[in-house]
Amino acid sequence: AQSVTQLGSHVSVSEGALVLLRCNYSSSVPPYLFWYVQYPNQGLQLLLKYTSAATLVKGINGFEAEFKKSETSFHLTKPSAHMSDAAEYFCAVSSGGSYIPTFGRGTSLIVHP
Amino acid sequence: DGGITQSPKYLFRKEGQNVTLSCEQNLNHDAMYWYRQDPGQGLRLIYYSQIVNDFQKGDIAEGYSVSREKKESFPLTVTSAQKNPTAFYLCASNLGPSSADTQYFGPGTRLTVL
Repeated sequence: AQSVTQLGSHVSVSEGALVLLRCNYSSSVPPYLFWYVQYPNQGLQLLLKYTSAATLVKGINGFEAEFKKSETSFHLTKPSAHMSDAAEYFCAVSSGGSYIPTFGRGTSLIVHP
Repeated sequence: DGGITQSPKYLFRKEGQNVTLSCEQNLNHDAMYWYRQDPGQGLRLIYYSQIVNDFQKGDIAEGYSVSREKKESFPLTVTSAQKNPTAFYLCASNLGPSSADTQYFGPGTRLTVL
């Protein structure tokens, strides 16, 4: 079985501040982990994914995430928030024989000027 | 440009009506998916298809039906049996059954029941 938990349905930061969105996963086998972003009234697009090649994964728009097996976490970070980062962010996990990802409930990132 | 198209963007349904949401992809992907999105609930899987003429129920298939007659097309019908269909519907695709595959999403259809 696989599952993912995103801590905090809303995260609010000031422009230029650090962005940290939390994701913890549960999987009985080594997982593949994904972060997707969704802008209002649009579909999701991939930010980055972990496929066991390297624990620190760099994605688009300056985002990165670190896979920590001991903490079963895959938190998303960005050093300096921009107004254009305001969106909904989804963490997802897929593993083993389950090739269909399980998505978290999403975290809405709000960026204040 | 390769991608996934969904139509219509907005759809209004009267009580007791069936409606069909279109999803087309030109990515040559084998697998296609339908998700329902409600505020605060993330994405919930309705149906998925790995190959033409084959599809499987997801977590919330009741009140929905699909077909996969062509590789590039995966329409979703919301039937009158779906009691609360107002939601944002997303179609997605990927190459095939692999846990490492990225899913590619369409722009979505917002369905509202009048």
